[in-house]
Amino acid sequence: NAGVTQTPKFQVLKTGQSMTLQCAQDMNHEYMSWYRQDPGMGLRLIHYSVGAGITDQGEVPNGYNVSRSTTEDFPLRLLSAAPSQTSVYFCASRRNLAPDNEQFFGPGTRLTVL
Amino acid sequence: AQSVTQLDSQVPVFEEAPVELRCNYSSSVSVYLFWYVQYPNQGLQLLLKYLSGSTLVKGINGFEAEFNKSQTSFHLRKPSVHISDTAEYFCAVSDLRNNNDMRFGAGTRLTVKP
Repeated sequence: NAGVTQTPKFQVLKTGQSMTLQCAQDMNHEYMSWYRQDPGMGLRLIHYSVGAGITDQGEVPNGYNVSRSTTEDFPLRLLSAAPSQTSVYFCASRRNLAPDNEQFFGPGTRLTVL
Repeated sequence: AQSVTQLDSQVPVFEEAPVELRCNYSSSVSVYLFWYVQYPNQGLQLLLKYLSGSTLVKGINGFEAEFNKSQTSFHLRKPSVHISDTAEYFCAVSDLRNNNDMRFGAGTRLTVKP
């Protein structure tokens, strides 16, 4: 198993540009989520999905869109990038919402918005 | 919503010394508690978790943590650290009513010196 994969690893955008961060998992997990990591703030939940076709907002959803058309993929879209979205983005997945399921994280995407 | 405070942003320690990384949480309901480790340029890995039962939880790599409900704490300990333990450590909490929403602390950077 590849686990949770994310592409790209690094990205530089100009203000106002759009892009999609890709996330895929091959463990048949129902639950997938996106976090951003900023210095001194830990990880904050952006959006999550409990299954194909079902998404919901987390703690910091503004400026981001998600969709979940398949179990495997959970892309994160920035429609109009802003410097405040400069961050490291992590995708995570776990089997389901049961608390004893381990959450697996991808390697991250480092995004810089100029 | 629940929240997490990690009391030390950086902890330097010499190799083979004991270490304690402190974590306090706040929540109006019962919680699940987690410690994650992040090695440089990698995603997060689960070290250990408290769901219920014994308040002393043992994890991977010789780490353990103790849940103290009266102190609302979940401190991480290791009796003898190695150079390879140098990493960032995150405490996280989710409450029993809403397991979608895991909140992370800001992180503690552990640096083990020879």
